[in-house]
Amino acid sequence: GQSLEQPSEVTAVEGAIVQINCTYQTSGFYGLSWYQQHDGGAPTFLSYNALDGLEETGRFSSFLSRSDSYGYLLLQELQMKDSASYFCAVHGGATNKLIFGTGTLLAVQP
Amino acid sequence: DAGVTQSPTHLIKTRGQQVTLRCSPKSGHDTVSWYQQALGQGPQFIFQYYEEEERQRGNFPDRFSGHQFPNYSSELNVNALLLGDSALYLCASSLVIRGGDTEAFFGQGTRLTVV
Repeated sequence: GQSLEQPSEVTAVEGAIVQINCTYQTSGFYGLSWYQQHDGGAPTFLSYNALDGLEETGRFSSFLSRSDSYGYLLLQELQMKDSASYFCAVHGGATNKLIFGTGTLLAVQP
Repeated sequence: DAGVTQSPTHLIKTRGQQVTLRCSPKSGHDTVSWYQQALGQGPQFIFQYYEEEERQRGNFPDRFSGHQFPNYSSELNVNALLLGDSALYLCASSLVIRGGDTEAFFGQGTRLTVV
């Protein structure tokens, strides 16, 4: 089967750093993406890793280790507006057939 | 530049009925994917359309069908609705390029409630 594991909830304070982990078990792997979704809204693309290592995009960074089937999203200088659900998603092939995790609900407190 | 647009935003249907949801991709995109997102879950891939053909399909029954038009817009049809079909239906568009598709942009979704 195919599965992606993420923590269900994470709480942090404004200005802090938080890491959201994702472990995956899929029949094919082409890359790992991260999406942010505010309540009832559209998932928004944050980051993509096809190769091992760290990708940095502003306050957000994402890491991938293909040998460990593991990745994480790092959010720095947390702001209240970062409160949302975060999903990791495996690209099963070159197409955008995405296999999503169950999501992590991040609550940022003042 | 308009992003991905979906219609309608909300819909209530009765068990056994049929429903059609619509999606216009982001300008310049040629591929449309449909996802079902149940409450508290991650989106589940239904199928993807490219060049007016179904390119890939997820693990959904034949009651779920789709279509892509020459202008790249797409429809998702669900027949014989079940209570369990109640969900947020998301459309995502991307562009096919050498080496793999570009990142997927999602629409706001259609909230379908089956009663």
